[in-house]
Amino acid sequence: GAVVSQHPSWVICKSGTSVKIECRSLDFQATTMFWYRQFPKQSLMLMATSNEGSKATYEQGVEKDKFLINHASLTLSTLTVTSAHPEDSSFYICSARTLAGASNEQFFGPGTRLTVL
Amino acid sequence: AQTVTQSQPEMSVQEAETVTLSCTYDTSESDYYLFWYKQPPSRQMILVIRQEAYKQQNATENRFSVNFQKAAKSFSLKISDSQLGDAAMYFCAYAPYGGATNKLIFGTGTLLAVQP
Repeated sequence: GAVVSQHPSWVICKSGTSVKIECRSLDFQATTMFWYRQFPKQSLMLMATSNEGSKATYEQGVEKDKFLINHASLTLSTLTVTSAHPEDSSFYICSARTLAGASNEQFFGPGTRLTVL
Repeated sequence: AQTVTQSQPEMSVQEAETVTLSCTYDTSESDYYLFWYKQPPSRQMILVIRQEAYKQQNATENRFSVNFQKAAKSFSLKISDSQLGDAAMYFCAYAPYGGATNKLIFGTGTLLAVQP
């Protein structure tokens, strides 16, 4: 149980285009989803927290107009990188948790590698 | 603000030996959770072990155990009988008690190499 998927697993796009990454909880309802960014050999950096049906809460320094997050259902959250530039190239990871879960455990997706040319 | 510190950027252990990864944290809360996550080369985050702060007994999961020292705010991970598959980045994480939106606070990670 507690499986989270991400799609796509990797994407290459041209500078100036937008890219959408999906995060799905496959066997549970995720009241809260989190989006992280990770650079090579570094820790996970929380970008935003999203709750189903409400606006995402962004961490300080994260451009909300650039990283659009939508959590339209209890099993799906999307991250759209708008007008992507090479500096947006990174590994993006989502996680999800449910009120029914214990211990504040987050279940992580396998990540999406974004390369912007 | 809560912080998590992992002072060992890299560690190495011989196969079948034991290794301990260090983690300290800072919080003014009395109730919280602590985690160790493993991130292998696939980059999938895997929960290794979890500790509730109100429990005095150290958590154990097969070859993985923790030494939780609440007063010292220390939470080390011991891996016994190390296997090649244990090679990964290990992250220590803290989470406040209660609330679905409470964030995980990660340490900077320790890269563990396992030598055959």
